[in-house]
Amino acid sequence: ETAVFQTPNYHVTQVGNEVSFNCKQTLGHDTMYWYKQDSKKLLKIMFSYNNKQLIVNETVPRRFSPQSSDKAHLNLRIKSVEPEDSAVYLCASSDWGGAETLYFGSGTRLTVL
Amino acid sequence: QQQVRQSPQSLTVWEGETAILNCSYENSAFDYFPWYQQFPGEGPALLISILSVSNKKEDGRFTIFFNKREKKLSLHIADSQPGDSATYFCAASNAGAKLTFGGGTRLTVRP
Repeated sequence: ETAVFQTPNYHVTQVGNEVSFNCKQTLGHDTMYWYKQDSKKLLKIMFSYNNKQLIVNETVPRRFSPQSSDKAHLNLRIKSVEPEDSAVYLCASSDWGGAETLYFGSGTRLTVL
Repeated sequence: QQQVRQSPQSLTVWEGETAILNCSYENSAFDYFPWYQQFPGEGPALLISILSVSNKKEDGRFTIFFNKREKKLSLHIADSQPGDSATYFCAASNAGAKLTFGGGTRLTVRP
């Protein structure tokens, strides 16, 4: 049963456009994450958000910005997309920001032409 | 520097065989090692995990063998089924820190 919901499933856009992806979790977790999964399946954490505290991965370009209205929602905005942004973006949540189980959504596949 | 490494990158076995997926890590402080399973079009899902105080963890056909001294662990999938075909990620963390994922092993089980 899916408990982390992501929209859209797919998005195709052109270089320079702005895109936004949505994520909602119904598990009551305090911590949410965005991961980037490239074409080789490598998983890289981009952001984690715990009780209104945002933890940014310093390697993430500044055109990426997470947005959270409450602990159940964590969206991702990308200003002026680049070709290297083509990937699957996975949202996840966990009970706390530690070694608890991560629950992933099914991902949003972004293709930048 | 990749802190968690997996091998092989891809593995093909016949139905009924035991698939062995390997993982090694750099950070001696890691104490929690989950394995995640990912099917195409889905996000990863926790399959089985082990703490560094144990050297073996079993759950049905899935077994983790852990060697703390060598900083290695392996996932054994007994009696492999075509439905086990997926990408498997080894991950590690310590004391509440974020998970570090390996690069994954893509398993194909042929009928």
